[in-house]
This record gives sequence, structure tokens and C-alpha cells, in this order.
Amino acid sequence: AQSVTQPDIHITVSEGASLELRCNYSYGATPYLFWYVQSPGQGLQLLLKYFSGDTLVQGIKGFEAEFKRSQSSFNLRKPSVHWSDAAEYFCAVGGRGGATNKLIFGTGTLLAVQP
Amino acid sequence: DVKVTQSSRYLVKRTGEKVFLECVQDMDHENMFWYRQDPGLGLRLIYFSYDVKMKEKGDIPEGYSVSREKKERFSLILESASTNQTSMYLCASSLVLVNEQFFGPGTRLTVL
Repeated sequence: AQSVTQPDIHITVSEGASLELRCNYSYGATPYLFWYVQSPGQGLQLLLKYFSGDTLVQGIKGFEAEFKRSQSSFNLRKPSVHWSDAAEYFCAVGGRGGATNKLIFGTGTLLAVQP
Repeated sequence: DVKVTQSSRYLVKRTGEKVFLECVQDMDHENMFWYRQDPGLGLRLIYFSYDVKMKEKGDIPEGYSVSREKKERFSLILESASTNQTSMYLCASSLVLVNEQFFGPGTRLTVL
């Protein structure tokens, strides 16, 4: 079955520290992969996406993610966290082809940033 | 930029009321989606539409219906609201064959 797992429900980091948010997926073929961020009371904003090619993808706000096929992972990283990064982060996976491009979302990781 | 708007940010309704949530996108996207978001459960797909007047059930369609009479507009209908439908509702849209979805700001619905 297709699924996305975000094993960390809550993470707290200090401002200026590095960040890694984990995402593992189960999918029958090479998927499209996404990271979204949701600030309190807001909708989801796309941070970055992987479709093909270079497995290290750069996104907005200084985030990057690496697709590791052998580990079925797509972890999100940021070298230095800012207080404004406090939000909920969702990993999502989608399929290739077909007109109904549904996404499967993980349950999210809530990031808190300590001053 | 793609813009997805939702008719209300906050809505309070009573049990048994019929509730309409409206979503409009301005980028001529073929696909539109309705999700509900609950703590610890992430986003769950209620219904989606891949063309005008076309719809398919998602993972949790019970208690909901949808309408898509125009390409840019996708409505979620709660025929008889119940307290367990208190949630955040998110609308999204995407191009055909491209999975990237663009989200509206959400409607937080409370059913009393």
C-alpha cells in the first residue's frame, strides 16, 4: 500500500541550529515527492519538490531535501533554523502519469524553535 | 502566482445545518481537491474533481458531497452537519499530469 511516514511528531531546535525532518515512503514506482510547510492558521505552502534528476533539491527559505531511493526517504534539511521556521511540515508523495494526480500526505512534524 | 481562495476562514454552524464551503482557483487548473485536516491525522482526502461535473471519492467521503459546475469553482457540501465534522478544511488545485498542488488558506469549521 502507498504510504508516507513522518516518524517525528514534534521537534524542538534552538535558533541557529541545523534541522533534519525525516520522511519515508512506500510506493510502487519512483514517485514525485514534496515538502509543504503550514504556518499557524494558514494553508500549505510548497517548500520543494522532486520529480527526477539531481537527488538533492533546493527549495525556498533555505531548505533542501535529498531523495534516497535505497532508503525510500526524502528528508528535509536546513543548516541554520530561524524563529520564523516554527510551523508544521508535511511530506507528500504522488504518482507518475494519470489524470487524477492525488497526493498522499504524512501526518506532519511540528517544529518549535527555541530562542 | 496561483491563487486558491476559500469563502470563509472561520465558520460556526449548528448540528443538522446544511453547510457549503466554496473554493475558487484562478489558474485554469483541471484538478481540484477537498481535504480535512485533524491533529495527528494529517490531511485526508474527502473528494476530488478532475473536470467540470466530474468527481471521485477520496478516502473519507461519508457525510460529504461536492459540486463542480464551473472549472474554477469546487464546493464542498455537508448535507447535515455533525459535531464530528468540526475540522480544518483545505481546498487545493493542480494541473493535469502534474502533481504539485496549490492550497487555499483553509476554513476552520466548528459544528455545535
